[in-house]
Amino acid sequence: GQNIDQPTEMTATEGAIVQINCTYQTSGFNGLFWYQQHAGEAPTFLSYNVLDGLEEKGRFSSFLSRSKGYSYLLLKELQMKDSASYLCAVYNQGGKLIFGQGTELSVKP
Amino acid sequence: NAGVTQTPKFRILKIGQSMTLQCTQDMNHNYMYWYRQDPGMGLKLIYYSVGAGITDKGEVPNGYNVSRSTTEDFPLRLELAAPSQTSVYFCASKTRGSGPDLGEKLFFGSGTQLSVL
Repeated sequence: GQNIDQPTEMTATEGAIVQINCTYQTSGFNGLFWYQQHAGEAPTFLSYNVLDGLEEKGRFSSFLSRSKGYSYLLLKELQMKDSASYLCAVYNQGGKLIFGQGTELSVKP
Repeated sequence: NAGVTQTPKFRILKIGQSMTLQCTQDMNHNYMYWYRQDPGMGLKLIYYSVGAGITDKGEVPNGYNVSRSTTEDFPLRLELAAPSQTSVYFCASKTRGSGPDLGEKLFFGSGTQLSVL
């Protein structure tokens, strides 16, 4: 089966950098997604990694190590609007796409 | 393009009633998914489909049924509603294949808030 773990909640300061980790176990790994979700809204796409390494998109970066079953989302220059839930999801070759429980990030002034 | 459209946005059911949550996408996506999200929790996969005529169980399929007669539509059926099915339901779709060159991205509908009383 598939199993995904991420911290339940994190707190960081405005302007700082925060790293949200995600570890996973799956058969037939075919990619890892990061999504952002504000309360009462649908998730919005942040990144997709299928190859090892770092993908950078503005203030957000995502890293993947397939051999370690590990990914992280790096948020730089934190803003108050970054307070949200961050969801890690793993996709396998059969098309199954499972989400972790999400990490609630609170950004303080 | 409308993307992924879910209806209704809100619904209140009595215990034992049945209903169908509708999901339609106009992007010609092969893969479609139904998730539920309880307060403060992540998304749990109910059912998914990799193409018309093909459906598979996810993590929490009990109490639900799906069908996929066309590429566009993926309705979710609740036969005997129970209070445990009170949740927010999201439908999502994506293209087939893998790799960043194919623009992998899961598109979500706006969600259905369902209460069973």
